[in-house]
Amino acid sequence: DAGVIQSPRHEVTEMGQEVTLRCKPISGHNSLFWYRQTMMRGLELLIYFNNNVPIDDSGMPEDRFSAKMPNASFSTLKIQPSEPRDSAVYFCASRERLRQGAASTGELFFGEGSRLTVL
Amino acid sequence: GEDVEQSLFLSVREGDSSVINCTYTDSSSTYLYWYKQEPGAGLQLLTYIFSNMDMKQDQRLTVLLNKKDKHLSLRIADTQTGDSAIYFCAESVYNQGGKLIFGQGTELSVKP
Repeated sequence: DAGVIQSPRHEVTEMGQEVTLRCKPISGHNSLFWYRQTMMRGLELLIYFNNNVPIDDSGMPEDRFSAKMPNASFSTLKIQPSEPRDSAVYFCASRERLRQGAASTGELFFGEGSRLTVL
Repeated sequence: GEDVEQSLFLSVREGDSSVINCTYTDSSSTYLYWYKQEPGAGLQLLTYIFSNMDMKQDQRLTVLLNKKDKHLSLRIADTQTGDSAIYFCAESVYNQGGKLIFGQGTELSVKP
């Protein structure tokens, strides 16, 4: 398996523009997470999905941010309009189904990240 | 709410042991993890411990868990320059669908 695939790897845009980040999770994984990493705040959980359904979006900064998972193999994180303070590395991660009592470590597999710079 | 805290920096000499500490708040956590992030890359699982264990050893890595104090530590024996990276502690909140909360990360610098 190729692992979690994110695109673009780097994006530079101007304030006010729409940004769409994409993620393809590992095949067979049923949970998908979006994180944001900055020097100031570390790694913040933005939203996560189980079986394509958003479970907790309390980390989404504001209405300018939205995330979708239309099917098990694709998710997007959209920022509209973008602002300079959105500059960060955005990570997508996926995980197989957690099974109580089974040998499931709950390990998250991360993509390489999308580095966003908003000027 | 859930919170995971770590010190931000640690510097050691090559060959010494490194100890990275972490505290967490959620007592329902079933799994606790250590992830490693190398420059320009995503995080990778280094090791994990079940909440019913006190210690886990894996080659140069030793994880200690004190559930009473909600304290987790990672010891790296014979630290090498290749161990220089950011190390994240994380807890999995099982009663919230396995939501994974990370600490700020500890940047380990290994000097030759």
